[in-house]
Amino acid sequence: GAGVSQSPSNKVTEKGKDVELRCDPISGHTALYWYRQSLGQGLEFLIYFQGNSAPDKSGLPSDRFSAERTGGSVSTLTIQRTQQEDSAVYLCASSPAGNQPQHFGDGTRLSIL
Amino acid sequence: RKEVEQDPGPFNVPEGATVAFNCTYSNSASQSFFWYRQDCRKEPKLLMSVYSSGNEDGRFTAQLNRASQYISLLIRDSKLSDSATYLCVVNRGGYNKLIFGAGTRLAVHP
Repeated sequence: GAGVSQSPSNKVTEKGKDVELRCDPISGHTALYWYRQSLGQGLEFLIYFQGNSAPDKSGLPSDRFSAERTGGSVSTLTIQRTQQEDSAVYLCASSPAGNQPQHFGDGTRLSIL
Repeated sequence: RKEVEQDPGPFNVPEGATVAFNCTYSNSASQSFFWYRQDCRKEPKLLMSVYSSGNEDGRFTAQLNRASQYISLLIRDSKLSDSATYLCVVNRGGYNKLIFGAGTRLAVHP
């Protein structure tokens, strides 16, 4: 069966550009999470979706970051006016419900030049 | 202070060795505990949950001490394939909000 799918796998862009990252969770999983991982660091929680709503956005580092989820399925994470410190691997995870184990996608490796 | 702290390692051990990783967490409201494994440039994968009574899965044993806010992972008879980064993870909150440690890197050599 299909796992969590993220696209693109890699993204290189210039500072100041906007980027959009996509996550397609496992079918039927209502909970979706975004994390980011900088080189040599642990995962940093960004945002949690339950269905289409985001009860916890506390991890978004600035107002340049936003995320949405439509139809209770695909989610997009948008970073506006990218900065070099945004360079990281952005990981998406989903779970059947808010208290079940999370399954991670392969991540999007974002590099800001 | 980070909410979840781990020794970053690396731990370099020969095949067959026993190795133990420790982790401390600062939030006494943490409810669930896990060890995840992450291979180089790969996504994290759940290795095992950690229960209050301690639990074992083959060569892996996990322990939790709530009073000391301490979690451990013991790997017996290390294999080359165990080489990875081991992430200590706690679940805080009414939903599955995972807080990750920075990980402990293990390198098993022949």
